[in-house]
Amino acid sequence: SQQGEEDPQALSIQEGENATMNCSYKTSINNLQWYRQNSGRGLVHLILIRSNEREKHSGRLRVTLDTSKKSSSLLITASRAADTASYFCATDAGNSGYALNFGKGTSLLVTP
Amino acid sequence: KAGVTQTPRYLIKTRGQQVTLSCSPISGHRSVSWYQQTPGQGLQFLFEYFSETQRNKGNFPGRFSGRQFSNSRSEMNVSTLELGDSALYLCASRPGTVGNQPQHFGDGTRLSIL
Repeated sequence: SQQGEEDPQALSIQEGENATMNCSYKTSINNLQWYRQNSGRGLVHLILIRSNEREKHSGRLRVTLDTSKKSSSLLITASRAADTASYFCATDAGNSGYALNFGKGTSLLVTP
Repeated sequence: KAGVTQTPRYLIKTRGQQVTLSCSPISGHRSVSWYQQTPGQGLQFLFEYFSETQRNKGNFPGRFSGRQFSNSRSEMNVSTLELGDSALYLCASRPGTVGNQPQHFGDGTRLSIL
């Protein structure tokens, strides 16, 4: 079942601009992860943020987590054409075994 | 280290047939998960295996099954294929010994049902 919901569904920006994607979820989580998927390929892990963390950085990526609002955001600064891809948030509820619940993703287009 | 390898990359089957997909995880990873990706339903969890045992299962009919071998390689099987089974099937691995680990995905098997 889908737990995360990304917003917007699609985003088109120019190179050099910042891109912000949001994710909301429904139940308590152990951690939240962001993944990127290029067309026809598998998912690439970007960042994992634990439920007790509020912000995390990795290169041009910044992720925030607000567990009180059950929401997260992914900021990509100084976007490049190579950032064109679909971005998914995924939540891990920490149940026995391991299952990620994915949102439907944000499709990002970065034009030169 | 080699990444997660899925074979075959593309597969075409007809309704009623069965299919087996294969996944080789990253060396040392003991947890393997399978996901189905479709335009309508998005990414949905199928099942997860750890040390040859199914630890978790998603909400899919019994036609979908899997197994894991002692070398951590995994297979999933879909019997009596239906048109709605057309999808990208993704395999992911992680060490699996503790929580808060990211998944490493393969490039998937694109299954088309005619």
